[in-house]
Amino acid sequence: GDSVTQTEGLVTLTEGLPVMLNCTYQTAYSTFLFWYVQHLNEAPKLLLKSSTDNKRTEHQGFHATLHKSSSSFHLQKSSAQLSDSALYYCALSDPYTDKVVFGTGTRLQVSP
Amino acid sequence: EAAVTQSPRNKVAVTGGKVTLSCNQTNNHNNMYWYRQDTGHGLRLIHYSYGAGSTEKGDIPDGYKASRPSQENFSLILELATPSQTSVYFCASGARDRGNSGNTLYFGEGSRLIVV
Repeated sequence: GDSVTQTEGLVTLTEGLPVMLNCTYQTAYSTFLFWYVQHLNEAPKLLLKSSTDNKRTEHQGFHATLHKSSSSFHLQKSSAQLSDSALYYCALSDPYTDKVVFGTGTRLQVSP
Repeated sequence: EAAVTQSPRNKVAVTGGKVTLSCNQTNNHNNMYWYRQDTGHGLRLIHYSYGAGSTEKGDIPDGYKASRPSQENFSLILELATPSQTSVYFCASGARDRGNSGNTLYFGEGSRLIVV
């Protein structure tokens, strides 16, 4: 079945440093990949998404590129802000069943 | 105005009791989902639905039932609650956009359940 792997449970950064959160996936079908962000005591919400190989997708200062050759969809930002502190989920959508599978999440903590 | 609303937001239940978590969406989406969120496990899919009258098992359906009586409403039912079901539960509605870039989910605010 489909699966998503996020290897880091916690990433701690100083404000202004670059962010990179890892995401790899396994699927037998076409790929729709997502990043969701969940701030403290809030609901998860979509940050960005892609289904196009090797195309950079950007939103709110974050970007990610889907690489089907390596089954990866890493989330990046050039300079972390305090407000980026949140839980980030990578997710995969099955195009045939519309089932959406999430990774275990990466908590990003940005300090001054 | 919130498009996916859950009730109750907080619930304390006794072991062996019945718990019903309700979800209402005004997005007019066909798909609805129930996830539980636990530290170290992320969001795990319990049940989902393609529309009124439809329920499908997710990845961790044991101990849970689901009901979709209408397009707008999707309930999660714990017939015999156990302490291991203590968690935060999220409901979501989903739809593919016109670019067909996958099924985007829209979440409710979550329901915190404690089973004692």
